[in-house]
Amino acid sequence: QKEVEQNSGPLSVPEGAIASLNCTYSDRVSQSFFWYRQYSGKSPELIMSIYSNGDKEDGRFTAQLNKASQYVSLLIRDSQPSDSATYLCAVGPGSYIPTFGRGTSLIVHP
Amino acid sequence: GAVVSQHPSRVICKSGTSVKIECRSLDFQATTMFWYRQFPKQSLMLMATSNEGSKATYEQGVEKDKFLINHASLTLSTLTVTSAHPEDSSFYICSAWDRVTQETQYFGPGTRLLVL
Repeated sequence: QKEVEQNSGPLSVPEGAIASLNCTYSDRVSQSFFWYRQYSGKSPELIMSIYSNGDKEDGRFTAQLNKASQYVSLLIRDSQPSDSATYLCAVGPGSYIPTFGRGTSLIVHP
Repeated sequence: GAVVSQHPSRVICKSGTSVKIECRSLDFQATTMFWYRQFPKQSLMLMATSNEGSKATYEQGVEKDKFLINHASLTLSTLTVTSAHPEDSSFYICSAWDRVTQETQYFGPGTRLLVL
């Protein structure tokens, strides 16, 4: 059984701070890792994908992957109230059928 | 990014009726589409994988006779919830696989189903 674990939160951070979202996975052969953002009542939208160990930066977002520790994280710099959403971690052998975590609720308060 | 649409966005029906949800890829060809269900505060649960021109592959515990999936073209897949019951009330989301880029799935906006 492939598992993707996330702390459900909510994670509350002040505006302008760095939000750190974490995800662990059980399948060691996983090759593809994704972070999706889901606003309440909406469908997920892809934020980042990462395939190799290390950091990948895109604007205010940085994904970090450590395959040895089976750990992937998402950092959001300069958090804004509009970043308040649920962040889903997805892990797969490819992006074909990834396994989704339950998501972490992020609240950015002014 | 690629665009996937769903119709209807919201539907309310009586128990025992059937509801059809359409999922369309608007600007790319999707050989594979996925159907998910999401209950409040829960994660996405994959229901089935739909391949164009062939039968859908259902996940364990999903009744194929209750959730009929048809993927007749490279841009359209439909999910029909037959004899719907209140416990089928949920948020149904489709996604499509772009066979050109093969980078990731693109999600539709979702359909909220309420069965009374």
